[in-house]
Amino acid sequence: EAQVTQNPRYLITVTGKKLTVTCSQNMNHEYMSWYRQDPGLGLRQIYYSMNVEVTDKGDVPEGYKVSRKEKRNFPLILESPSPNQTSLYFCASSLFVPGQHNEQFFGPGTRLTVL
Amino acid sequence: SQQGEEDPQALSIQEGENATMNCSYKTSINNLQWYRQNSGRGLVHLILIRSNEREKHSGRLRVTLDTSKKSSSLLITASRAADTASYFCATDSSNTGKLIFGQGTTLQVKP
Repeated sequence: EAQVTQNPRYLITVTGKKLTVTCSQNMNHEYMSWYRQDPGLGLRQIYYSMNVEVTDKGDVPEGYKVSRKEKRNFPLILESPSPNQTSLYFCASSLFVPGQHNEQFFGPGTRLTVL
Repeated sequence: SQQGEEDPQALSIQEGENATMNCSYKTSINNLQWYRQNSGRGLVHLILIRSNEREKHSGRLRVTLDTSKKSSSLLITASRAADTASYFCATDSSNTGKLIFGQGTTLQVKP
């Protein structure tokens, strides 16, 4: 089954404790992206990657890191989480065709609480 | 940066009625997409309309696009309780694959 998986689905942590949220897709998609979703603010892009070893900042990259060493994986790293990073996080992937079709497939989400 | 603004923010209708949601955006686009999100879950792609298209259908969904007004609408006909969800428009305006999402319309369909 074609899908995007994220782990963990739920995480409660404390300020400053480094964490990684994994994202994996099995559709051989070049493009992968991380979003956070907050009430009243909608979905905001954190980082994206157009291919292996190519990553770039989205609209809200502060406090986050990513890596793209393999095509299928795109982990989100919070080196020193803070309470304002409490949010619902989504990973997405797509078969990128510049200026054309860009339907994104979303993972199930990771609900993160930073105390 | 928020490209899309959706209207209404919330909509409550009876089963069998039609639901219309609107999306406005600011810059020129390659395409506009509609997604659905059930509470707390991942978004699911519904339909994509390219900038040179004016109308598109998929089952009970009808999407229109007016590039002169920079607006789109999503019509769900003969709604069902299972259509209860949030609906988001997203615009693709760049060559980087980036989508910019609207704030969403929360639809409640009462049985």
